[in-house]
Amino acid sequence: AQKITQTQPGMFVQEKEAVTLDCTYDTSDPSYGLFWYKQPSSGEMIFLIYQGSYDQQNATEGRYSLNFQKARKSANLVISASQLGDSAMYFCAMREFLMDSSYKLIFGSGTRLLVRP
Amino acid sequence: EADIYQTPRYLVIGTGKKITLECSQTMGHDKMYWYQQDPGMELHLIHYSYGVNSTEKGDLSSESTVSRIRTEHFPLTLESARPSHTSQYLCASSQPGSSTTDTQYFGPGTRLTVL
Repeated sequence: AQKITQTQPGMFVQEKEAVTLDCTYDTSDPSYGLFWYKQPSSGEMIFLIYQGSYDQQNATEGRYSLNFQKARKSANLVISASQLGDSAMYFCAMREFLMDSSYKLIFGSGTRLLVRP
Repeated sequence: EADIYQTPRYLVIGTGKKITLECSQTMGHDKMYWYQQDPGMELHLIHYSYGVNSTEKGDLSSESTVSRIRTEHFPLTLESARPSHTSQYLCASSQPGSSTTDTQYFGPGTRLTVL
């Protein structure tokens, strides 16, 4: 069975500094996709970044980048130049296919990030 | 990005009432999903649909039911609400081939409290 592990329940970072949120995964499938979502206190899930298992380069999206280490089965999210609005819950997730190209996301337990002014 | 809407955003209701949580998307996505999330916890899939007139149960056992009569609409119904149904319910949609990532985009969620 596929599994996502996030070992940091909570993190602090100073405004304008970079922070790394850890994510490790377990799967026996050679082809897989990894996602990071942000969930503010308002509750919606905001897609941040995606990494495919066959992607040659680490994904980047603005201030977000993914430190993808396939051999170690880790996909850590790096947020550069933290802003107060980055304070939120962050979830790492893996895709598991279901019927007819639909799929479910298997989520980790999340990391709550607090940005200090 | 998908435009996906959920109503109501917040609902407080008494035990035994029938409720329907609405979810609509305007992007023509074939795949739609319902997840349940307890406070501070991860999301779990409770229902999904891979097209009109197709619905399947997810991993997490749920007493709710869903329907998919139109592509854009995927409502979730609880026939008789109980306090154990208190949770946040998030709807999502995706479309293979719409992007390289085939991302699931989420609605704003419905926070349900059953007294």
